[in-house]
Amino acid sequence: GNSVTQMEGPVTLSEEAFLTINCTYTATGYPSLFWYVQYPGEGLQLLLKATKADDKGSNKGFEATYRKETTSFHLEKGSVQVSDSAVYFCALSSTSGTYKYIFGTGTRLKVLA
Amino acid sequence: NAGVTQTPKFQVLKTGQSMTLQCAQDMNHNSMYWYRQDPGMGLRLIYYSASEGTTDKGEVPNGYNVSRLNKREFSLRLESAAPSQTSVYFCASTVAGDYEQYFGPGTRLTVT
Repeated sequence: GNSVTQMEGPVTLSEEAFLTINCTYTATGYPSLFWYVQYPGEGLQLLLKATKADDKGSNKGFEATYRKETTSFHLEKGSVQVSDSAVYFCALSSTSGTYKYIFGTGTRLKVLA
Repeated sequence: NAGVTQTPKFQVLKTGQSMTLQCAQDMNHNSMYWYRQDPGMGLRLIYYSASEGTTDKGEVPNGYNVSRLNKREFSLRLESAAPSQTSVYFCASTVAGDYEQYFGPGTRLTVT
C-alpha cells in the first residue's frame, strides 16, 4: 500500500540556517504530494504541493520538488526564522480513487534566535 | 467564510461515557475526514466520507462511529470512551481526492 516516510525530529537550527526535511514515499500510480505545517495548538495548514513529477511547489521561502525517480519530496528553505518553528508533515493523496490521504509522522523544527 | 469548524475544543470524559464531536465546513467540499493525532504517530485516519451519503473506515475505526448528516456536517461519535481514545481529533475537508485538505482547529479529548 501507499506510505510516507519522513525524517525523525526534532530538528534544531539557528536562525538563518539552511533547512532540509527529507520525505520519501511509496505509491502505485501518480499521487499528488503535499507539505503541511502545524503551529502549536493549531490544525494543519497546507504549506505547498506538487501534482506531477518534476513539479516544484513553493511558498513562504519553502520549496519541494516531486522526484519520481527517487520517490522523494524533500522540503527545503534557504534561511529559517524563529517563526518557522512548527511541526511539518509530508503527505500524499490516494491513487486508487478512495480519497484517502497518507501522512508522515511529522518532523518538529525548532529555530533558535 | 469560517472554513472548517469543530466543537468542542476541549473535553474530558470518564471511561464508558459517550460523546459526539461535531464538524462543519462552509466551502461546499465533497469529502470530509476524521483523524486522530497522537505523539510520535502523526495523523491516523479514523473514518472518511468521500461524498454526501457515503462513509468508509480508515486506519483506526474501532470504537468510533460517524454520520455524514449533510454535505456540510460530519460527526464522530464515541459510544463508550476508553483511555486509549485520549487524543487530539482533527476534522478535514477537501473538494475531491487529489486536492489539498483543509483542517479544523482540533478537539483535545482526555478520557480518564
